[in-house]
Amino acid sequence: NAGVTQTPKFQVLKTGQSMTLQCAQDMNHEYMSWYRQDPGMGLRLIHYSVGAGITDQGEVPNGYNVSRSTTEDFPLRLLSAAPSQTSVYFCASSYALGGGGEQYFGPGTRLTVT
Amino acid sequence: EDQVTQSPEALRLQEGESSSLNCSYTVSGLRGLFWYRQDPGKGPEFLFTLYSAGEEKEKERLKATLTKKESFLHITAPKPEDSATYLCAVRSYNNNDMRFGAGTRLTVKP
Repeated sequence: NAGVTQTPKFQVLKTGQSMTLQCAQDMNHEYMSWYRQDPGMGLRLIHYSVGAGITDQGEVPNGYNVSRSTTEDFPLRLLSAAPSQTSVYFCASSYALGGGGEQYFGPGTRLTVT
Repeated sequence: EDQVTQSPEALRLQEGESSSLNCSYTVSGLRGLFWYRQDPGKGPEFLFTLYSAGEEKEKERLKATLTKKESFLHITAPKPEDSATYLCAVRSYNNNDMRFGAGTRLTVKP
């Protein structure tokens, strides 16, 4: 099992550009989520999905879009990049929302917006 | 609103010097409290889930405990390889959000 994979590992964007961060998992997990991690602020939830075709907003959803067409993939779209979106982005997955809550995290994407 | 506060922000220990990390939380209806370890440049790695006050879990040199207001991660006789940032998170029954604390950066010197 590859677990949770994320691409790209690093990305530099100019203000106003759009891009998609890719996330895939091969563990047949229903629950997937996107977080951003900023110094001193911990991980903050952007969007999450409890299954294919179902998504919902987390704590900091503005400026981001998601969709979940398959169980395996959960891409995160930046619509018009802003310097405030410079961060490290992590995708995570787990069997279910409740229960053990053991989330498996990907290696992260370091995004810089200039 | 669910909140998680971790202390201290950073902790430096000598190898073998035991200590504890604190996670204080406020949540309306705790579904679970989680501890993760994060190494530099990597994603968080799951350590423990605690569900109710009085519960304890252990893994090697780590022991996590839970009360109604806080959780402790006790590190017994730490080794340099225990150096990492330790994250605490909570999930409530009222929403699907998982709230993380800012973490405690632990350094263990040989």
